[in-house]
Amino acid sequence: NAGVMQNPRHLVRRRGQEARLRCSPMKGHSHVYWYRQLPEEGLKFMVYLQKENIIDESGMPKERFSAEFPKEGPSILRIQQVVRGDSAAYFCASSWDLNQPQHFGDGTRLSIL
Amino acid sequence: TQLLEQSPQFLSIQEGENLTVYCNSSSVFSSLQWYRQEPGEGPVLLVTVVTGGEVKKLKRLTFQFGDARKDSSLHITAAQPGDTGLYLCAGDSQGAQKLVFGQGTRLTINP
Repeated sequence: NAGVMQNPRHLVRRRGQEARLRCSPMKGHSHVYWYRQLPEEGLKFMVYLQKENIIDESGMPKERFSAEFPKEGPSILRIQQVVRGDSAAYFCASSWDLNQPQHFGDGTRLSIL
Repeated sequence: TQLLEQSPQFLSIQEGENLTVYCNSSSVFSSLQWYRQEPGEGPVLLVTVVTGGEVKKLKRLTFQFGDARKDSSLHITAAQPGDTGLYLCAGDSQGAQKLVFGQGTRLTINP
């Protein structure tokens, strides 16, 4: 009865390195969403994916950020050449169909040194 | 841009008191969710309201969706220390799939 699994839970990177965040949705869920939570702020939508397709990436920064959800394996949020401002908690959510409730993982806390 | 305003942002009350948290917007949402988030964890879904005027109860928690589907409230009766946490409202628009979150209400119930 596993929920949404995110790893790693904590990730430390130096400026300029790459960060890869992984998300395995709940069993039977094919819709994945990524959100970012900056300190003392609410969650902000980044991207919505279905298997092998990006449906809505309107919340993704135009540069350095990318996301994928391959046919096999977890969804990946990739941040290239990280900067201090990328420090945040990144949450993944999944749902089993359109317009169904989204269930969240416990997030990856990214710290940039 | 759709926005959700939650009030109050911080609330500290004594055990046994009642409280109401509000979530307001100028936009119409097809549904609205309430989540609770503990430190170091992800938001946990409490309820989804879909119909204008809908009221849902979850033990001592009562959730209401406004008639125009622009606002919602969460009322807690006889608050307990275990109710302490960050409460988030989130709305979605038909076909948009992405959730718009309020900034949260940090609730502290003092024994």
